[in-house]
Amino acid sequence: SAVISQKPSRDICQRGTSLTIQCQVDSQVTMMFWYRQQPGQSLTLIATANQGSEATYESGFVIDKFPISRPNLTFSTLTVSNMSPEDSSIYLCSVVAHFNTGELFFGEGSRLTVL
Amino acid sequence: GENVEQHPSTLSVQEGDSAVIKCTYSDSASNYFPWYKQELGKRPQLIIDIRSNVGEKKDQRIAVTLNKTAKHFSLHITETQPEDSAVYFCAASSGNKLVFGAGTILRVKS
Repeated sequence: SAVISQKPSRDICQRGTSLTIQCQVDSQVTMMFWYRQQPGQSLTLIATANQGSEATYESGFVIDKFPISRPNLTFSTLTVSNMSPEDSSIYLCSVVAHFNTGELFFGEGSRLTVL
Repeated sequence: GENVEQHPSTLSVQEGDSAVIKCTYSDSASNYFPWYKQELGKRPQLIIDIRSNVGEKKDQRIAVTLNKTAKHFSLHITETQPEDSAVYFCAASSGNKLVFGAGTILRVKS
């Protein structure tokens, strides 16, 4: 398994500000992803965080709104930019720890509330 | 891209009864089908998964079946217990990118 630490665990933010979420994994992983879970909803993939190159974004998500960094194989950040109340969600970092199994492990999530 | 549909959205069962949750997927190239359980305020956790070269897999009270031809897979929980109450998500992937179903709220009444 993989131990994934996310910071902050929760935050209350003002409209128009930006917040950066950090994800630290206890081992080197090839595949790292960022998901969003809106209240009472399913998990939606925002992007794949690629080490040493630009993230790969899913339809409906853009780099200007959700810039992602991945400087090495154990760490990534997701920034939620120019926040609005619609960005109030749980943001989850996830990794595939073992390429052979494909099992996806999730961090505990960062719950953002935008006022 | 892949689309996963999940039914029912809510399911209430009596303790000791069985629960079945069904999912369909659209991409015939998908080859990995995990099920996640998410308790209130917690992260999703894998409970069982199945690959496209297998038709059924069982782990104690939990089983998953896969019908590749029909592109659907199901989660079966037998002898349900109150601690099985949670939201369950199915997912499908080809490669390493998972697409999740909408989720099923399972309530086990004691």
